[in-house]
Amino acid sequence: DAGITQSPRHKVTETGTPVTLRCHQTENHRYMYWYRQDPGHGLRLIHYSYGVKDTDKGEVSDGYSVSRSKTEDFLLTLESATSSQTSVYFCAISDRRQVLTYEQYFGPGTRLTVT
Amino acid sequence: DQQVKQNSPSLSVQEGRISILNCDYTNSMFDYFLWYKKYPAEGPTFLISISSIKDKNEDGRFTVFLNKSAKHLSLHIVPSQPGDSAVYFCAASEGGGADGLTFGKGTHLIIQP
Repeated sequence: DAGITQSPRHKVTETGTPVTLRCHQTENHRYMYWYRQDPGHGLRLIHYSYGVKDTDKGEVSDGYSVSRSKTEDFLLTLESATSSQTSVYFCAISDRRQVLTYEQYFGPGTRLTVT
Repeated sequence: DQQVKQNSPSLSVQEGRISILNCDYTNSMFDYFLWYKKYPAEGPTFLISISSIKDKNEDGRFTVFLNKSAKHLSLHIVPSQPGDSAVYFCAASEGGGADGLTFGKGTHLIIQP
């Protein structure tokens, strides 16, 4: 299994508070991703990173920001949490050094509840 | 507008039989396809993938078929085992860049004893 951890694993927070989720990898992979999973939607991409300090928006980036100051850490911040951000958040990593292989490997997830 | 569609929310198959999970896509730029398996309270686990230059890829009990003209792929599991009960996600990538994957909504596979 790829070495990916997410913290916290569970969090309950109030509307309007800032929240930061952390993804940590020990694989030295260049690419990192944040997804959210909601019933009836599968997984949707929030933000991704293609290197230290290089990030870009995904499909559902509104209300979220990210930072990557080290290869191993990718942080997802909800500036002011809303109930619509109640979800399960997954981090993923990818190597992409091999031709025609685009597999991503996922962490265990963080269940976030915004009350 | 959904670019990756899994039209069967659930599928029930008897143990030992073949399980066939289907996936359709609309984006012609997709050139790499993946299947993930997910158990409750865990992250998705990579299962098998296929490049658009192939029409079949096999790994043990799992085979993925790609029909580019129909924009359709399927995952075959044979024989099905109780541990295969999980949610299966189809995902696609445009390759090239570092963009993330586009996922379908998933199919819940239930293997009946």
